[in-house]
Amino acid sequence: EVQLVQSGAEMKKPGESLKISCKASGYTFTNYWIAWVRQMPGQGPEWMGIVYPRDSETRYSASFQGHVTISADRSISTTYLEWFSLKASDTALYYCAKVSAGTYYLLDHWGQGTLVTVSS
Amino acid sequence: DILMTQSPDSLAVSLGERATISCRSSQTVLYSSNNKNHLAWYQQKPGQPPKLLISWGSTRESGVPDRFTGSGSGTDFTLTISNLQAEDVSVYYCQQFFSTPGTFGQGTRVEIK
Repeated sequence: EVQLVQSGAEMKKPGESLKISCKASGYTFTNYWIAWVRQMPGQGPEWMGIVYPRDSETRYSASFQGHVTISADRSISTTYLEWFSLKASDTALYYCAKVSAGTYYLLDHWGQGTLVTVSS
Repeated sequence: DILMTQSPDSLAVSLGERATISCRSSQTVLYSSNNKNHLAWYQQKPGQPPKLLISWGSTRESGVPDRFTGSGSGTDFTLTISNLQAEDVSVYYCQQFFSTPGTFGQGTRVEIK
């Protein structure tokens, strides 16, 4: 059974850094892209970017490029989403999701989500 | 970016009746080389992540009840929920996976009348 287990909720101040994680199991981790998705309250999901764990290749949405970093550690089947300087507007629910084979954006299994709150 | 627009924003349907949700893309998501529509539907229940229901416009994922039907092509798509059940109360999203950044619609909330 495919499972994606994300790290717990975070509360941070503007300007602080943060790295959240997503541990995968139940499939061959290095064979599939993993995406990170933002969902703000009452809105649809937004695809942020993807990482290919086999070689750590990444691709980003232009909306998020330069503000977040996505990475992977294949030795522990874990991907990460990182901010170096958080803004209040980063407050949202963040999901990791396994990307369906042969696509970059079709998301067939999702983590439970990590709530990030940024407030002074 | 391809803009995905869903209608209506919400609808209330009686148990056992049919719910119909529309999704329109600002440009075609039909890939000519494989003649497949790069359009997916997700269901999101309160407090849960989205769940993939339908891919390629009309292909139901494993375990999805056959009362969920996806149809359409090019830029106009429909999700039909026949014989609505109480457990179908959710927000439904369409998504194009044709081009970056895999944009989603704004969602349609389905409730019981």
